[in-house]
Amino acid sequence: KQEVTQIPAALSVPEGENLVLNCSFTDSAIYNLQWFRQDPGKGLTSLLLIQSSQREQTSGRLNASLDKSSGRSTLYIAASQPGDSATYLCAVGSATNKLIFGTGTLLAVQP
Amino acid sequence: GAGVSQSPSNKVTEKGKDVELRCDPISGHTALYWYRQSLGQGLEFLIYFQGNSAPDKSGLPSDRFSAERTGGSVSTLTIQRTQQEDSAVYLCASSLSVTGGNTIYFGEGSWLTVV
Repeated sequence: KQEVTQIPAALSVPEGENLVLNCSFTDSAIYNLQWFRQDPGKGLTSLLLIQSSQREQTSGRLNASLDKSSGRSTLYIAASQPGDSATYLCAVGSATNKLIFGTGTLLAVQP
Repeated sequence: GAGVSQSPSNKVTEKGKDVELRCDPISGHTALYWYRQSLGQGLEFLIYFQGNSAPDKSGLPSDRFSAERTGGSVSTLTIQRTQQEDSAVYLCASSLSVTGGNTIYFGEGSWLTVV
């Protein structure tokens, strides 16, 4: 059974700092991995989608990496801003897009 | 519409009552998913629909939960004889198809409280 873990559970950083969020999964037979952002009281917004054959994806200040063999993914946020404060969720996907989610990292960027 | 629309956004119901939650996916999206997010827990897959194929109901927690999708578009998640442990946010999502690699778009959820 696939299990997804995110560390740390919560993180507080000063504005401008670069940071890394971690995601690990137990079964390397994944189809893809996605990072989502969730604001309080809101749904999820997809940030980056990495196919199993890819090593990383970049969008603006965000960079996500994937190492299937070690069961790990990282989300790198450069030059963090207060608007980045949210819960970040990673999810591993099967071929049918059924996602298994981690419990998230609550990020607070202090101005 | 422009995004996945869910209603009601908030629902308070008495234990034992039935509730219906509605999801209107993005136009043209053939895949539709229901997830549940309980306080202090991660998102839990409930069910997905893909076109006219039989739905994958493997995540439904009990036979009190059911879902249907009419005309390949709008979906309704029904919870019968609600229990307090059913209190959660129920999130609907859609994508172009169920094939992995398509971005999934989530609605803002239906917040269910069973008292």
